[in-house]
Amino acid sequence: YELTQPPSVSVSPGQTARITCSGEALPQQSAYWYQQKPGQAPVLLIYKDSERPSGIPERFSGFRSGTTGTLTISAVQAEDEADYYCHSPDGSGTYQVFGGGTRLTVL
Amino acid sequence: QLHLQESGPGLVKPSETLSLACSVSGASIRRSSSYWGWIRQPPGKGLEWIGNIYYSGNTYYNPSLKSRVTIFVDTAKNQLSLNLMSVTAADTALYYCVEGQITIKDDAFDVWGQGTMVTVSS
Repeated sequence: YELTQPPSVSVSPGQTARITCSGEALPQQSAYWYQQKPGQAPVLLIYKDSERPSGIPERFSGFRSGTTGTLTISAVQAEDEADYYCHSPDGSGTYQVFGGGTRLTVL
Repeated sequence: QLHLQESGPGLVKPSETLSLACSVSGASIRRSSSYWGWIRQPPGKGLEWIGNIYYSGNTYYNPSLKSRVTIFVDTAKNQLSLNLMSVTAADTALYYCVEGQITIKDDAFDVWGQGTMVTVSS
C-alpha cells in the first residue's frame, strides 16, 4: 500500500500552499500530517484529517475527500519551509504507511 | 510532559542484531491510552514505519520487516525496545521512538524522540 505525495511544492510568502496525499484506503482511513525541519524530529501537524494539536497555528489545516487528503498552509511564512509527510493506516487499519514526503520551498 | 529518549550502539556490523532502547519519562509506559512505536529514516530519505505495540500487548510490524523485528516493553525500566535481526546497510537510518494517544488522536504519532542514528558497516 502506498501514499503518494508530490516531491516538491513552491510558494511565495503570504500565499497558500496545498500538499496532497493520495491513497486507495483514504476513503476508509484518516490522514495525518507531520512537519519536519532539517535536523529535527517530525512534529504532528494534523490528526484525524483536520484536527490540530494544541500549539499548531490555525493556518495549518487538513481535509480529506475520497482518495485524497490535503494539507493547506495559509499565509505561508519563511519558517514553514520544511518537509511534510502524510501518514495513514492501510485498508485493514493494521499497518501504518507514510507518504514519500513533500519539500515545501518558500520563494 | 512526556519525553522520549532513544539510545543505541551507533554502529552495528552486517548480519548482527540491532538493539535500541527508548526511555520514557513523564508517563508510564503502561498507560492504557498510549501506544508506542518505532519509525526510521534513512539519511536523506523519508519516514518508514517499523511497528507499534499496544496496551494489550499486541504488536504490529511493517510487513517488509516483520520477519526480523521485535518490539517490546520493559515496565520495570519504563522503556520501549527494538530488536532488528540480520541487519544490512539498508538498515542504516535514524531511528525514532514515538507515542500515540489512540483514544484521542487515533493512529497519530503524537510525541517523538530526537532519534538515534544507527550505521550498519563492517
